[in-house]
Amino acid sequence: DIVMTQSPDSLTVSLGERATINCKSSHTILYNSNNRNYLAWYQLKAGQPPKLLIYWASIRQSGVPDRFSGSGSGTDFTLTISNLQAEDVAVYSCQQYHSIPYTFGPGTKLEIK
Amino acid sequence: EVQLVQSGAELKKPGESLKISCKGSGYKFNNFWIGWVRQLPGRGLEWLGYIFPADSDTIYSPSFEGQITISADKLTTTAYLQWSSLRASDSAMYYCARPWSTSAGQTYGYIDSWGQGTLVTVSS
Repeated sequence: DIVMTQSPDSLTVSLGERATINCKSSHTILYNSNNRNYLAWYQLKAGQPPKLLIYWASIRQSGVPDRFSGSGSGTDFTLTISNLQAEDVAVYSCQQYHSIPYTFGPGTKLEIK
Repeated sequence: EVQLVQSGAELKKPGESLKISCKGSGYKFNNFWIGWVRQLPGRGLEWLGYIFPADSDTIYSPSFEGQITISADKLTTTAYLQWSSLRASDSAMYYCARPWSTSAGQTYGYIDSWGQGTLVTVSS
């Protein structure tokens, strides 16, 4: 199985500032045949189903504010939230869909300072 | 609009059986993979498996194969997740999940449609 790890476990950021969350896969999730990284990011809030934010490592899902951005390739990825808003308080989790079983990172808890 | 509506919360005892459901609407149910993801209390997400309703082709996570059964009813456009003998460790929130597919039918494993979740509690 591909193991996904995230750092930090939690972070506290001031409103309007930038939050950076890292995700690392135990094996590359880049397919050379199509040059795509099989990585997604989700936002998890209590009492709600997960919300897809980013897929293919850097493509924003429709309706997701452009302050959310994804980057990285191979085994190392980053979710950046710029101009942090109060509604961004949540847990953020990455997922690889390169190989079955699809696996998720343990999550990073984002709080407001 | 794609909608996945799940059955309600369940409280069961260890050793009991359970079948939870997810009704899909707003799309051609038979032609899209659909499956289940769980979230343990205070923990991350775990992918359980997917099924293709048209032919019942099913893919399980090795961690869950043999412990759960994923099925689908084409007539009622409903997917199911069932256990024959629950354990306390099965207590979790279970989400119905539909991975994204292209118009040509190519499916990728990221999930753009989710059910509202079914809380399963197993306790004596």
